Amino acid sequence: QKEVEQNSGPLSVPEGAIASLNCTYSDRGSQSFFWYRQYSGKSPELIMSIYSNGDKEDGRFTAQLNKASQYVSLLIRDSQPSDSATYLCAVPQRQAGTALIFGKGTTLSVSS
Amino acid sequence: DAGVTQSPTHLIKTRGQHVTLRCSPISGHKSVSWYQQVLGQGPQFIFQYYEKEERGRGNFPDRFSARQFPNYSSELNVNALLLGDSALYLCASSLGDTLNTEAFFGQGTRLTVV
Repeated sequence: QKEVEQNSGPLSVPEGAIASLNCTYSDRGSQSFFWYRQYSGKSPELIMSIYSNGDKEDGRFTAQLNKASQYVSLLIRDSQPSDSATYLCAVPQRQAGTALIFGKGTTLSVSS
Repeated sequence: DAGVTQSPTHLIKTRGQHVTLRCSPISGHKSVSWYQQVLGQGPQFIFQYYEKEERGRGNFPDRFSARQFPNYSSELNVNALLLGDSALYLCASSLGDTLNTEAFFGQGTRLTVV
């Protein structure tokens, strides 16, 4: 059974700090990785995709991928209270089309 | 452009009843996937359809079924509802069917079974 693991948190950081969210996956052959943000009571929103080892930056968000260690992380710089949400890591389940396997999510709380 | 639209947004059903949830993908997207999300968990994959063909099925009982129409919209049907079927049901739309394809979610349907 392919798995995606995340620390459920909550992760609490002060406004302006860097929030670091981590995710590990079991399928060594995985090639694509996605981060979603989910506000309470809402649906997941895609915020980052990463396919190659290294870093990918988009505004205040940086995704980091290390395939050898089978982990992917999301850094949020200059955290804002509006970043308070649950962050979901997702990896395609290669044996079922492009269906995504999600971690349980990490809840981030940014205090002002 | 309209995003993924799901209907209804909220639904209350009684145990044993049947329910149909609907999804319209982003214009031009040919793949639709369905997920179930219970409180405190990540979404769990139920079905994927691409070009009207089933491409994948998650570990859900046969009470769950789905289909995709020629206009790429999709329905999820659940028969003989159980209390445990209460969840947020999410539809995700994708342009294609490759592993690097990004998926975009609708607002979800909140199903409560009483």
